[in-house]
Amino acid sequence: QVTLRESGPALVKPTQTLTVTCTFSGFSLSTSEMSVSWIRQPPGKALEWLARIDWEDDEFYITSLRTRLTISKDTSKNQVVLMMTNMDPVDTATYYCARSLHSPKGYDYMDVWGKGTTVTVS
Amino acid sequence: SSELTQDPAVSVALGQTVRITCQGDSFRMYYANWYQQKPGQAPVLVIHGKNNRPSEIPDRFSGSSSGNTASLTITGAQAEDEAVYSCSSRDTKDYHPLFGGGTMLTVL
Repeated sequence: QVTLRESGPALVKPTQTLTVTCTFSGFSLSTSEMSVSWIRQPPGKALEWLARIDWEDDEFYITSLRTRLTISKDTSKNQVVLMMTNMDPVDTATYYCARSLHSPKGYDYMDVWGKGTTVTVS
Repeated sequence: SSELTQDPAVSVALGQTVRITCQGDSFRMYYANWYQQKPGQAPVLVIHGKNNRPSEIPDRFSGSSSGNTASLTITGAQAEDEAVYSCSSRDTKDYHPLFGGGTMLTVL
């Protein structure tokens, strides 16, 4: 069974750096075509994909936040960490991690999500 | 970057069929994925690719696409289908995942 769980601070101050951790089980990030993504959702708003790291350690970031984000993985601990610098109240959101798969038909999808961790910037 | 546009809200009578649509240039090149999200819960994948359902998703959910519009159809909507449905695809410029604004489905 694939599960993911996010953890991190519930409250951060403006200008601080947010660090959220995704701890997963049921799959390995050393397996080909396996990735983990971070997605966030401000209260009452749409989902927004932020970053992804894959089995080859390749990193992908949303263009608009590229300079503030860093994603990394610890395969031995089954963890993926997202850091976001210079936090602002507009970054208040629920932050989700999800397993990302690549279909042989050439598209990507996020098949299992964690429950999310709510972060308030104030 | 690209945009995916969804109607904010749609309603359907219990047991009837409803189509939820998502418009964007992405669908001329890429497949749609659909996610269901109930209040206070994480999104759940209901359709991926051309029309693929995870095993735990009922077969009343189906997906299709034509031109710049992707659709999620629920045939015989149930009370438990009341949720926000978000489409997702790939940004045509930087190829990263993109989400629509979500459609709140009310089952009457």
